[in-house]
Amino acid sequence: EAGVAQSPRYKIIEKRQSVAFWCNPISGHATLYWYQQILGQGPKLLIQFQNNGVVDDSQLPKDRFSAERLKGVDSTLKIQPAKLEDSAVYLCASSLQTGVGEQFFGPGTRLTVL
Amino acid sequence: QQQVKQSPQSLIVQKGGISIINCAYENTAFDYFPWYQQFPGKGPALLIAIRPDVSEKKEGRFTISFNKSAKQFSLHIMDSQPGDSATYFCAAFSGGYQKVTFGTGTKLQVIP
Repeated sequence: EAGVAQSPRYKIIEKRQSVAFWCNPISGHATLYWYQQILGQGPKLLIQFQNNGVVDDSQLPKDRFSAERLKGVDSTLKIQPAKLEDSAVYLCASSLQTGVGEQFFGPGTRLTVL
Repeated sequence: QQQVKQSPQSLIVQKGGISIINCAYENTAFDYFPWYQQFPGKGPALLIAIRPDVSEKKEGRFTISFNKSAKQFSLHIMDSQPGDSATYFCAAFSGGYQKVTFGTGTKLQVIP
């Protein structure tokens, strides 16, 4: 079974630029999560989708971050404009359903904002 | 209060020794407590998990001890091996798997 795929693996941008990350969850997983993991900290949930609907985006900085999962499969997370404090690893995870089953994480995208 | 406090921040253990990592929480709505293992360049992977109606769960060399009254839980790694060297995160979920809070992580180094 293929795992959660993410791209790119690394990205370096200047502050105020835009960046987008892509995630393809495990086939058949209805729930998709985006986490931000700052160096030395645990992952922080940014947004959770159930199919193509948002379940929880309470910790998403909506003035600069956006995410979509239009067809209920893959998802993109965008930052526009980026700030220095956005430097982090962005992890995508998926699970069968919200409230059901283990979350499986992808390898993450390491973002450096200069 | 959604915070989960994890300690120690880093840990060095000799091969064959016992590694112990502790977590404490405040929110009594948490109802699922997993531990994740994360190697450099990889995403976290579920290691072992426990629900609050159980005081201990063991899987191979890994044991979770859970103290509901103290709102604390810990991970014990018996016979620690160099391959166990990784960062370990505790987490707490509420509402089934709906809301999750992660601890700050413990970097474990097992030396030969």
